[in-house]
Amino acid sequence: ELQLVESGGGLVQPGESLRLSCAASGFTFSNYDMHWVRQITGKRLEWVSGIGSAGDTYYPGSVKGRFTISRENAKNSLYLQMNDLTAGDTAVYYCATDRIYYSTSGKRVWTGMDVWGQGTTVTVSS
Amino acid sequence: EIVLTQSPAILSLSPGERATLSCRASQSVRTYLAWYQQKPGQAPSLLIYDASNRATGIPARFSGSGSGTDFTLTISSLEPEDFAVYYCQQRSTWPLAFGGGTKVEIK
Repeated sequence: ELQLVESGGGLVQPGESLRLSCAASGFTFSNYDMHWVRQITGKRLEWVSGIGSAGDTYYPGSVKGRFTISRENAKNSLYLQMNDLTAGDTAVYYCATDRIYYSTSGKRVWTGMDVWGQGTTVTVSS
Repeated sequence: EIVLTQSPAILSLSPGERATLSCRASQSVRTYLAWYQQKPGQAPSLLIYDASNRATGIPARFSGSGSGTDFTLTISSLEPEDFAVYYCQQRSTWPLAFGGGTKVEIK
């Protein structure tokens, strides 16, 4: 069974740091791109970082310079280091995976984010 | 940066009715668009990828269409378990983006 399990969420004060982890199982982790997506309660989904199978990283402007995504393929694990946290970072954080591959006909196919974890809650408050 | 705009924000329908949800991109995303369903207290789950392909296990009443900037998710006949929030997402260019969501509620 393909599975992602997040951990590391909690209550921190503004300006503090937190490191989230995501443990993967049931698939060849190193072949997949990985993402962190967050959701403020009752609000829209927000993509906050992505890392390719080759280790290339991507961020939106809202977190660039504060968040760092990394992966450890030998441990089937994904991480998100979050620094200088603010109340605006309070949310449920999900890890998710997707993949881009080429079909036998040569067509580029994107799988969509087809596996999601259950989420871990980060609360930033004094 | 690509912005995805979903409409309507809320769709009030009865079971058995047809639901048509729209997602418009601020610039072309080719067919790199996915649709997700989210129920309260749950993580999103993939419905449609590459604009028109149903994910594994998704019933045939769900269909996606479109390319470029205009996309549609259609639920041909709403079942009770389909009342949820639906999001579109693009992976044409970085940064990735989600739409604001459409809530399909029981009328």
